[in-house]
Amino acid sequence: ETGVTQSPTHLIKTRGQQVTLRCSSQSGHNTVSWYQQALGQGPQFIFQYYREEENGRGNFPPRFSGLQFPNYSSELNVNALELDDSALYLCASSTGTSGGTDTQYFGPGTRLTVL
Amino acid sequence: AQSVTQLGSHVSVSEGALVLLRCNYSSSVPPYLFWYVQYPNQGLQLLLKYTSAATLVKGINGFEAEFKKSETSFHLTKPSAHMRDAAEYFCAVSVSSGTYKYIFGTGTRLKVLA
Repeated sequence: ETGVTQSPTHLIKTRGQQVTLRCSSQSGHNTVSWYQQALGQGPQFIFQYYREEENGRGNFPPRFSGLQFPNYSSELNVNALELDDSALYLCASSTGTSGGTDTQYFGPGTRLTVL
Repeated sequence: AQSVTQLGSHVSVSEGALVLLRCNYSSSVPPYLFWYVQYPNQGLQLLLKYTSAATLVKGINGFEAEFKKSETSFHLTKPSAHMRDAAEYFCAVSVSSGTYKYIFGTGTRLKVLA
């Protein structure tokens, strides 16, 4: 157990809809990162938040957005869903104090299916 | 640009045999490297990480990895495979680009045969 939880576990949406995925980080972890893992692939970095501010973004369009709250919870929002957005979405929390050696603790993921 | 390459998308070993999962990295600066394991329908769990303190890194569940700069490798090994080791394994490098993010390899699925 990593102490990181995500909800919901599974979600089915149709193309064009909007979705919000939620993550609860470990207490004291000021950094949360979100990853997209397509079937048969490694996780791809979407973005990272530190103390409620976005401080890094991967190669994902603006319709992927996020929020981080003071209570160590966070959200990933995806607008105008496309079929290719079907994937496992993982959040990972870390202290943000050890730079490149920081260990990221992953949640179990939310499986999103877009029809 | 920093990256990792995992050779072999599928590896099968017999129970009790040596496990060797390969990871090569590309980096112009000393890398920070990680191995994670993913069991079916679960998130990623850290096995071990290399932070330049020691080239041989011991992790959980009997796994270890050796950082070899001359070969740009960070292969994961376990002397004796167990059925519970069947899972997907990911190598990752921590990359600095304003913040630190992980770049993952494509993963190696380990199958353990009875």
